[in-house]
Amino acid sequence: DGGITQSPKYLFRKEGQNVTLSCEQNLNHDAMYWYRQDPGQGLRLIYYSQIVNDFQKGDIAEGYSVSREKKESFPLTVTSAQKNPTAFYLCATKGQDRSQPQHFGDGTRLSIL
Amino acid sequence: GQNIDQPTEMTATEGAIVQINCTYQTSGFNGLFWYQQHAGEAPTFLSYNVLDGLEEKGRFSSFLSRSKGYSYLLLKELQMKDSASYLCAVLNAGNNRKLIWGLGTSLGVNP
Repeated sequence: DGGITQSPKYLFRKEGQNVTLSCEQNLNHDAMYWYRQDPGQGLRLIYYSQIVNDFQKGDIAEGYSVSREKKESFPLTVTSAQKNPTAFYLCATKGQDRSQPQHFGDGTRLSIL
Repeated sequence: GQNIDQPTEMTATEGAIVQINCTYQTSGFNGLFWYQQHAGEAPTFLSYNVLDGLEEKGRFSSFLSRSKGYSYLLLKELQMKDSASYLCAVLNAGNNRKLIWGLGTSLGVNP
């Protein structure tokens, strides 16, 4: 989706290291989301934010942290406490109206070194 | 609890019609979305249903029955490029912008 930029596309993490995944949007959407997808699995919600300076835990928040200091940006940090971080990470945004779908960035693929 | 069920895998032949079913049990309902996801890529939006009935968009149609907690995605004139995973997601009434996702149906299209 052209309005959502995730970087980097590929990321490698060393043992004991924290890494941060970037998500930037120019769609002027209030709501932003982070999902994790494992091979052959569905999307699992990590964190979401409905407004600047506010965010909530999703279903699998342990070992992750986020911030929402600006409307355009919702970075995700994968901490060393997340023991199995290898996955495909997707950032999404959603507009105000219920009929508006979530729009996704191209994703970041994180692997362990 | 909240639950969405879809078949894990389906196969069909190029040029045929295929129907992918989705049943859901959620606390409230604010609409149902279908997404397509090709391997290694992000999901892309296909359709949204909030009222009962059929919504048609080119080769793709989506149906909803709220009383039965049931939806289907109908793909006509299948093409090889339709080989992908199809995800069903429900927007529940409790939180207007949080989706409950099914695990997806992997569709293989054979020549």
